[in-house]
Amino acid sequence: GQSLEQPSEVTAVEGAIVQINCTYQTSGFYGLSWYQQHDGGAPTFLSYNALDGLEETGRFSSFLSRSDSYGYLLLQELQMKDSASYFCAVRDNTDKLIFGTGTRLQVFP
Amino acid sequence: DAGVTQSPTHLIKTRGQHVTLRCSPISGHKSVSWYQQVLGQGPQFIFQYYEKEERGRGNFPDRFSARQFPNYSSELNVNALLLGDSALYLCASSWGGQGAKAFFGQGTRLTVV
Repeated sequence: GQSLEQPSEVTAVEGAIVQINCTYQTSGFYGLSWYQQHDGGAPTFLSYNALDGLEETGRFSSFLSRSDSYGYLLLQELQMKDSASYFCAVRDNTDKLIFGTGTRLQVFP
Repeated sequence: DAGVTQSPTHLIKTRGQHVTLRCSPISGHKSVSWYQQVLGQGPQFIFQYYEKEERGRGNFPDRFSARQFPNYSSELNVNALLLGDSALYLCASSWGGQGAKAFFGQGTRLTVV
């Protein structure tokens, strides 16, 4: 089967750093993407890793270890507006996206 | 530039009815994918179309069908609606295949009563 596991909820305070982990088991793998979704909104692309290592985009970084079937999203200098759900998604070998169940991040003042 | 647009934004239907959802991709994007998102879960892949051809289908019953038009817009059709079809239906577009980066529309909230 295909599955992606993420923590269901993470809480943090403004200015802090938070890491959201994702482990996956899929029949094929091209890369791992991360999407942000605010309540009532559309998923928005954050980052993509096709190769092992760290990708940095502003306050957000994403890491991938293909040998461990593991990745994480790192959010730095947290702001209230970062409160949202975060999804990891595997791009499989048929080029479709398989999403995890999502992690709800709550940022407190 | 306009993003991915979906219509209608909200819809209420009765069990057994049929529904058509519409999606216009970002200009220049040739691939459209459809997802179903139930509250509290991640989007589930339904269909992908590229250059008007079906490229992939998720684990959904034959009551679900879709097509892509020459202008790359797309329709998702669901027949014989069930209460369990109530969900947010998302359309995503990308230039080629789904690739690494998909752009999502705001979705159609379907409620089946």
